[in-house]
This record gives sequence, structure tokens and C-alpha cells, in this order.
Amino acid sequence: DAMVIQNPRYQVTQFGKPVTLSCSQTLNHNVMYWYQQKSSQAPKLLFHYYDKDFNNEADTPDNFQSRRPNTSFCFLDIRSPGLGDAAMYLCATSSPTSGRGDTQYFGPGTRLTVL
Amino acid sequence: RKEVEQDPGPFNVPEGATVAFNCTYSNSASQSFFWYRQDCRKEPKLLMSVYSSGNEDGRFTAQLNRASQYISLLIRDSKLSDSATYLCVVSPTNYSGGGADGLTFGKGTHLIIQP
Repeated sequence: DAMVIQNPRYQVTQFGKPVTLSCSQTLNHNVMYWYQQKSSQAPKLLFHYYDKDFNNEADTPDNFQSRRPNTSFCFLDIRSPGLGDAAMYLCATSSPTSGRGDTQYFGPGTRLTVL
Repeated sequence: RKEVEQDPGPFNVPEGATVAFNCTYSNSASQSFFWYRQDCRKEPKLLMSVYSSGNEDGRFTAQLNRASQYISLLIRDSKLSDSATYLCVVSPTNYSGGGADGLTFGKGTHLIIQP
């Protein structure tokens, strides 16, 4: 029944060591989003893919990259994690042509720790 | 000015009481509005969409005032299980879809229901 799956749920990396977070979906939704949520803060949109089109938020650091090899999968790459990148990373999906295009479905998140 | 502002609380409320939260948003182009619930260390989950005419779902009532740019949530007969953080969320995407904009979250209001 899982619709948006994120792996791993917990990730520990070292300062400066590249890390990749994974998201997959069984909903066949066009759009996949990545949000960053730091402790006691609101989730903040990093970027999203509409099909193959990548849309970066203006204030997303270059250290964050994303790949979407097919409809089902989307990856978040952090090239050189800093201590300030420790956060929960949330993946979400939506289907703009479904008539409820505003509804986003969130995965359980990956909690990233940077040592 | 923050895009979506909420009183962070915490609101400590006895079980069975009625509690109300408000939030204000700054982007007058916002088209759709939501309340999400987030439990500790979990992903946000959609509680309800908010419509201009006001809408009710069981013990929960949401109101939208576009002229004043604020959104409210009322919880009646509160239960222990209502303890969570309630996130006010806006989007420039309208309910019928067609777009793929990210959601803008408030920081959330922390609710604690006491037995």
C-alpha cells in the first residue's frame, strides 16, 4: 500500500562526504518534490520535477542536486554535506491533471545526520 | 515578513475543550489553502483543504478569509490523539490543478491535549 517510499529512513554521513537520498512512488504522478525540514522549522521546497523538467527554487544551494531517471524514482544528491544540512528530507508527489492537482502526497522522510 | 505566519504555541488544552488556531499569509496570489498535521519526527499529513465558504470534517472546521488573508482551524471536543503540530499551508496552484508549484508551509502550531 505504500505510495511514496523514501530510503533510507535514517542516514548518517560525514562532513563533506557526498550522500544520495532516494524516493520512489507507486502513484504514477507527474510531479515529484523535495523539501528540507530543519528542527522546529517549516518544510522548505528545494526543487521539483514536472515530468523531466527540473525546477529549482532560487535560494536552493548549489550543493543540492536532483535526478529523476524515470517517473517512479527521484534522487536528492548532496555533494558536500555541511553540519547545517542536517535535517529531515521529505519527498512528495502530485498529479496536476487529476483534478486535485493541489494535493501532495508525502513520503515518511529521511532524517540526515552530518558528523 | 514571513510568507505564512502562525503562533508556534504550545497550546496546552484539556481533553474535551475547543481550540482554535489562526494563520496569516502574505501572498495574495495564493489559490489553495490547507491544514496539515505533523506528528513528532513524522511526515506532514493532509488534515483538510480550506475553502472560501468554510468547510467542516467531523470535529474540525476550517475557514478562509481572503480579504484579510487569514485561515483558521477549529477543533471541537479535543482528544488526546489530537496532540500534534498543525501546519498552515498555502499554494499558488488552484484546486483544479494544472500547475505544479510547491507548498509554502508555516512553522506550525504545537498542540498538547492534556488528560
